[in-house]
Amino acid sequence: DGGITQSPKYLFRKEGQNVTLSCEQNLNHDAMYWYRQDPGQGLRLIYYSQIVNDFQKGDIAEGYSVSREKKESFPLTVTSAQKNPTAFYLCASSIEGRDSPLHFGNGTRLTVT
Amino acid sequence: GENVEQHPSTLSVQEGDSAVIKCTYSDSASNYFPWYKQELGKRPQLIIDIRSNVGEKKDQRIAVTLNKTAKHFSLHITETQPEDSAVYFCAARAVNTDKLIFGTGTRLQVFP
Repeated sequence: DGGITQSPKYLFRKEGQNVTLSCEQNLNHDAMYWYRQDPGQGLRLIYYSQIVNDFQKGDIAEGYSVSREKKESFPLTVTSAQKNPTAFYLCASSIEGRDSPLHFGNGTRLTVT
Repeated sequence: GENVEQHPSTLSVQEGDSAVIKCTYSDSASNYFPWYKQELGKRPQLIIDIRSNVGEKKDQRIAVTLNKTAKHFSLHITETQPEDSAVYFCAARAVNTDKLIFGTGTRLQVFP
């Protein structure tokens, strides 16, 4: 649906554990993004990647890590260093070009207890 | 860096009335301004966008206006319908970056 698949839809983890969220796209898009959504705070950029094997920090990168080994895949790891990891995580992609709209996945809701 | 402010945070209108959501941005280099609609439990989807060389753009009941001097842009929805109920996000991207910065969202409720 929409060419971007995030899995799983719901994820539960114990505090202190690292967890990896999957994002795969078959749109042949060059750029991929991870956003975090919290109530009343909109969408905040965690990391983004414009090309394979390269990525940049967004506004709230602390406690997160990413990799971009393949064009289609951009997994996000939420580490134990992230102080408040419970949130809704959205992955997006776009074709290269600064006027290109983002296409979002359906999101992963992570709950850490 | 870019900062986007969005108002109001909630908006309730009667079916058939118009709704207006306003955003301001801080980076004068911003040149791309999309609007996304997110229905409950679903992903955000692009509904309209505008570039800095255009002052207004319309698509059926939806229009966006841009005032570059004042650094603000607005979404206008006319003849609202219950299915317009959703959270709407504005965003801005500066010409020298690939980062799309979002506003905090507006929850629109359209009552029949």
